Amino acid sequence: DGGITQSPKYLFRKEGQNVTLSCEQNLNHDAMYWYRQDPGQGLRLIYYSQIVNDFQKGDIAEGYSVSREKKESFPLTVTSAQKNPTAFYLCASGTGGFGEQYFGPGTRLTVT
Amino acid sequence: RKEVEQDPGPFNVPEGATVAFNCTYSNSASQSFFWYRQDCRKEPKLLMSVYSSGNEDGRFTAQLNRASQYISLLIRDSKLSDSATYLCVVSGGGSYIPTFGRGTSLIVHP
Repeated sequence: DGGITQSPKYLFRKEGQNVTLSCEQNLNHDAMYWYRQDPGQGLRLIYYSQIVNDFQKGDIAEGYSVSREKKESFPLTVTSAQKNPTAFYLCASGTGGFGEQYFGPGTRLTVT
Repeated sequence: RKEVEQDPGPFNVPEGATVAFNCTYSNSASQSFFWYRQDCRKEPKLLMSVYSSGNEDGRFTAQLNRASQYISLLIRDSKLSDSATYLCVVSGGGSYIPTFGRGTSLIVHP
């Protein structure tokens, strides 16, 4: 089955620790994206990648880092520099250009 | 960056009702338009693309009005299962990065 997977579904961390969220897709999509969603809020773009080995900052990149070493994978690291990391993190992929995006099931990160 | 505006609602309608949402966008050069559905605590799922000629999928009809810079979503014969948040997405106009509206909440009650 083609799709996007994110793991884990729920993640709990102590303040001051870095944590990496996984995102994998087997849709052969070139573009991948990371969004953050807070309760009652819209989606905010953290990072995006239009092609392997290239990525750009979105609107709220501070405190986050990514890599795109493989077409299928776009992991997101939430660093200790991120002031309010508790949120719902969504990964998406698409053909790029002006096409639609497809989302993974998301990871709920709680930092205490 | 372009702006995408949606009435957050909630729209509270009885089963069987017809309901319509609008979404306005500020960048007249925008090229692609989509409606997504997001259930509570779940990921957004593509509902339909919006074409210049409009398109229909069962009970759902999407329209694009370029002159007034808005897209619309019409849901006929509402079902309880239609209760969700509906997100408007616009891209193009100088950027490949889509812009999401904050969503319109729909509650269908018996």
